[in-house]
Amino acid sequence: GAVVSQHPSWVICKSGTSVKIECRSLDFQATTMFWYRQFPKQSLMLMATSNEGSKATYEQGVEKDKFLINHASLTLSTLTVTSAHPEDSSFYICSAPQARQGGYEQYFGPGTRLTVT
Amino acid sequence: QKEVEQDPGPLSVPEGAIVSLNCTYSNSAFQYFMWYRQYSRKGPELLMYTYSSGNKEDGRFTAQVDKSSKYISLFIRDSQPSDSATYLCAMRELTGGGNKLTFGTGTQLKVEL
Repeated sequence: GAVVSQHPSWVICKSGTSVKIECRSLDFQATTMFWYRQFPKQSLMLMATSNEGSKATYEQGVEKDKFLINHASLTLSTLTVTSAHPEDSSFYICSAPQARQGGYEQYFGPGTRLTVT
Repeated sequence: QKEVEQDPGPLSVPEGAIVSLNCTYSNSAFQYFMWYRQYSRKGPELLMYTYSSGNKEDGRFTAQVDKSSKYISLFIRDSQPSDSATYLCAMRELTGGGNKLTFGTGTQLKVEL
């Protein structure tokens, strides 16, 4: 199956600083990638859809100026949490779709655990 | 009402038991159905992918879809302690939605020795 990587796997930062998370599709190209957020013992909440060569599409309630998304190439999308605060501490997961019979299959990265102190 | 309902558990079973995990949904536009397994502090891993009503089997896993009842299930036979994880159902529309998935809340499963 396809492989999606994320970097870093975990990060601790101070309140007010910015943190960049990378999502890469290692063996396939993805014009679209998705960014999710997951709080402990809760399901994945879609934050935004990253589109290669164009602006990201944000879900309702997600601040686009706070969560900056850049889809720089067909294999790389980045999420930057700007001016991070403790409430931004969460598990951030990206996914990328790959075509298969009958539609698309979503492959997820291993996630990035962000802790803001 | 949530678009996808899933019992969060936790569900605890003895090793070797048959496990039944279920989701119901309200959006009749959902046509693709997936089950993911997520270990603690890891990303979800795709287990099963179906797009038609009926059963699909893969090893110890069987996915069942009943579109008329808007109900999907995942059965795990001969459950093992390594199956202990959170199982998430996910769904997608045929067209539109841009390949976005809608997830259930996940069911936490523990298989005990």
